[in-house]
Amino acid sequence: KAGVTQTPRYLIKTRGQQVTLSCSPISGHRSVSWYQQTPGQGLQFLFEYFSETQRNKGNFPGRFSGRQFSNSRSEMNVSTLELGDSALYLCASSLEGRGKNNSPLHFGNGTRLTVT
Amino acid sequence: AQKITQTQPGMFVQEKEAVTLDCTYDTSDQSYGLFWYKQPSSGEMIFLIYQGSYDEQNATEGRYSLNFQKARKSANLVISASQLGDSAMYFCAMREGPGGTSYGKLTFGQGTILTVHP
Repeated sequence: KAGVTQTPRYLIKTRGQQVTLSCSPISGHRSVSWYQQTPGQGLQFLFEYFSETQRNKGNFPGRFSGRQFSNSRSEMNVSTLELGDSALYLCASSLEGRGKNNSPLHFGNGTRLTVT
Repeated sequence: AQKITQTQPGMFVQEKEAVTLDCTYDTSDQSYGLFWYKQPSSGEMIFLIYQGSYDEQNATEGRYSLNFQKARKSANLVISASQLGDSAMYFCAMREGPGGTSYGKLTFGQGTILTVHP
């Protein structure tokens, strides 16, 4: 089974631009989550999508948005980029079990975004 | 307050020895799950082991075991017989609640960098 696939692996953008990152979950996984990882703040939850609906949102400004398509693939968008948005963005998918808490998140290799 | 605390920024261990990575957590939920992930320098997050709040036995997965002390709210990862390939960042994470509505939301600690010496 293919793992979580994120594209692109690396991106360099300029302040003020916008960027779209893509994530394909493991086949059969309907939950897709996004995380931002920086040396200073660590791993922070951005949002989670399930069946094309945003189910949870972290504490990030509205410049960060996402969506999920009917095939569970997800995209996240960051508009008006700031230097502080430079980070590794990780996507994860999960196979949900009814009433169970033990489904791990399976992460992709991440997209490393550099804002100059 | 930090929900997940990993107090060891860095740990060193000799190859073939065992090492314990500490993790304490804070939650008021009765149902929660605790996870450990490994992140090599390549950046990928690799799931290692899971412990549920209602699990009576400590979780084990190969060379990984979890020393779960619920009353003390600690979930330490034990790696036995360390290998050079174990050198990486290790994260403790928690999923709160029964999992019905927030499967994708984990709270992570700051991580511990483990270096295995030959």
